[in-house]
Amino acid sequence: AQSVTQLGSHVSVSEGALVLLRCNYSSSVPPYLFWYVQYPNQGLQLLLKYTSAATLVKGINGFEAEFKKSETSFHLTKPSAHMSDAAEYFCAVSEGGDSSYKLIFGSGTRLLVRP
Amino acid sequence: GAVVSQHPSRVICKSGTSVKIECRSLDFQATTMFWYRQFPKQSLMLMATSNEGSKATYEQGVEKDKFLINHASLTLSTLTVTSAHPEDSSFYICSAEIYHEAFFGQGTRLTVV
Repeated sequence: AQSVTQLGSHVSVSEGALVLLRCNYSSSVPPYLFWYVQYPNQGLQLLLKYTSAATLVKGINGFEAEFKKSETSFHLTKPSAHMSDAAEYFCAVSEGGDSSYKLIFGSGTRLLVRP
Repeated sequence: GAVVSQHPSRVICKSGTSVKIECRSLDFQATTMFWYRQFPKQSLMLMATSNEGSKATYEQGVEKDKFLINHASLTLSTLTVTSAHPEDSSFYICSAEIYHEAFFGQGTRLTVV
C-alpha cells in the first residue's frame, strides 16, 4: 500500500530564509508525487508534480522538489520564504498511470513565516 | 488551468437532516471525481470515487448509505450527507481529473448542530 510521511507538523522560518518541507513516501510501484498548498478554508492548489521524468521538479511560486529514489524522498524547497507562503502544505502520492489522480495525502505541514 | 467549483462553501444544518454538496467541473468534462474529507488540522482522507453513469466506489470504512454520491453528468457530482450528526461536521473537498492532474474544489465546511 502506498503511504506518505511528512516530518514536522509545523515549520517556522524567517522571511527570506530557506524553506524545507520533508516528505517520504512508500510505494510498491514507481510513484507519481505531488505537493499541494492549502490556504485556510480553501481547496488545494498544485505546486508541482513528479511523474517519472526529470527528478528535479520546478513548480509555481518559486518552489521546487527533488525526487530521490534511494531515499524515497520528495522534499519541497524554496530558497527565500515570503510572508504569502504561510499555509498548509501536503505531499501526496499516487500509483500513476490511469490512477494518477487518486491521491494518498500526508498529514500536512503548516509553514509559518516570521517577519 | 481547469476549474472545479464546489457549492455551498459553508453550510450549517440541524442534526438529523440531509445536506447536499455539489461539485462541478466548469470548463471540462470529468468522468471521474473524488470526494475527500478533512478533519481540523488533519490531512485529506479519500472517501469515494465518483464515476459518471455508474455507482461510486467507496473507501474502506466509509458508509455508503450515509454518504450518497451521484454522478449524473460529466460535469456534476453530488455528495449527500444523510441524517447528519455532529460527528459528520467536517471540511469536504472534491476533485476532478483532466490531463492526469487533479483539480480541487474550494471545499465545503459542514457544521451539524
